[in-house]
Amino acid sequence: GQNIDQPTEMTATEGAIVQINCTYQTSGFNGLFWYQQHAGEAPTFLSYNVLDGLEEKGRFSSFLSRSKGYSYLLLKELQMKDSASYLCAVRDWLNDYKLSFGAGTTVTVRA
Amino acid sequence: GAGVSQSPSNKVTEKGKDVELRCDPISGHTALYWYRQSLGQGLEFLIYFQGNSAPDKSGLPSDRFSAERTGGSVSTLTIQRTQQEDSAVYLCASSTDRDGYGYTFGSGTRLTVV
Repeated sequence: GQNIDQPTEMTATEGAIVQINCTYQTSGFNGLFWYQQHAGEAPTFLSYNVLDGLEEKGRFSSFLSRSKGYSYLLLKELQMKDSASYLCAVRDWLNDYKLSFGAGTTVTVRA
Repeated sequence: GAGVSQSPSNKVTEKGKDVELRCDPISGHTALYWYRQSLGQGLEFLIYFQGNSAPDKSGLPSDRFSAERTGGSVSTLTIQRTQQEDSAVYLCASSTDRDGYGYTFGSGTRLTVV
């Protein structure tokens, strides 16, 4: 199985940068996903990493190091609407159709 | 439809009653998943359907839980003799084939067992 750890909560100021770390242990890594979930809403896809390195998509970037079992999601130029839960999920090739999720990191953006 | 639709959005039931939760996936998505999200917990895998293959039921927590998918489209998750620990948000997701890349989630059903 997978052990996926991410911080429970983070708080940042509007306009600032926040980095959400995710560490994982898996027997057959096959991709890491980040989802955003606003309260009471469906999780929505943010990013996907399968190779080492940084993937940039507008204000959001995601980084992966497979050797370290580590990823981070970087949110730049924070806006109030970025207040949400951010879910890290890992796909394992042994079970490549099921994503295993971390408990999520609740980010609160303050004015 | 345009997205994954789940109903009801909220359900309050008495302990011991049976409940049915419905998921209508995106048209053409062959894979359908049920997850459970409890407060402070990660999404917990429950069951997976892929086309006409036998479903993967390995995540169902007890035999009180069952699910079916009719005609490769709509799915129903049934919980019999509900218990308070069943209270959670039940999320359905669909995707094309097994890639997992294109998971689209529904907004979930919030189940409260009193």
